[in-house]
Amino acid sequence: GQQVMQIPQYQHVQEGEDFTTYCNSSTTLSNIQWYKQRPGGHPVFLIQLVKSGEVKKQKRLTFQFGEAKKNSSLHITATQTTDVGTYFCAGQRYRGANSKLTFGKGITLSVRP
Amino acid sequence: DGGITQSPKYLFRKEGQNVTLSCEQNLNHDAMYWYRQDPGQGLRLIYYSQIVNDFQKGDIAEGYSVSREKKESFPLTVTSAQKNPTAFYLCASSIFRVSNQPQHFGDGTRLSIL
Repeated sequence: GQQVMQIPQYQHVQEGEDFTTYCNSSTTLSNIQWYKQRPGGHPVFLIQLVKSGEVKKQKRLTFQFGEAKKNSSLHITATQTTDVGTYFCAGQRYRGANSKLTFGKGITLSVRP
Repeated sequence: DGGITQSPKYLFRKEGQNVTLSCEQNLNHDAMYWYRQDPGQGLRLIYYSQIVNDFQKGDIAEGYSVSREKKESFPLTVTSAQKNPTAFYLCASSIFRVSNQPQHFGDGTRLSIL
């Protein structure tokens, strides 16, 4: 079945450092979504990428969809303690309402003040 | 405020007992989902429903059952057949369209075995 991989599962950074994480799919995706889950909270939708090579920015966060639509990256510039949490990518194989989201295992980011 | 309400927040199950987790949404979303989250495992899909009176199994449906009698409600029953039910259960909903839509999550229910 379809697999979405996020490695490593944990990363620790010093506040102010940049952070990049990657998401890889075993199959070509129709789109990829990113979610953030704060400690003790629930996942919250951040962004959706649909087009090959697409880049979207949200303040200090930059998201990119690979040219082959099999991988994605999340880059955070100058991390802050508010960036702490687990970031999940989730891919859909087909464009359409019947296509399920497959979540990666997530990467948990901790930021040292 | 529109949103998704899950109850209870914490639930304890005895051996051999069925328990039902509630999920209600007032977002007028057609599609609803149940996920199970275990430490280090991400979110795994249990069941989903795209329309009232219809639902499909996800990746880990064994030991669970659902119903979708109303658009707003999608309760999940954890049956005694689910031998390892301790987990964090998340309900989500989304608009049902041809193009893929983001999912909105509830606050979750933590289920433990007594």
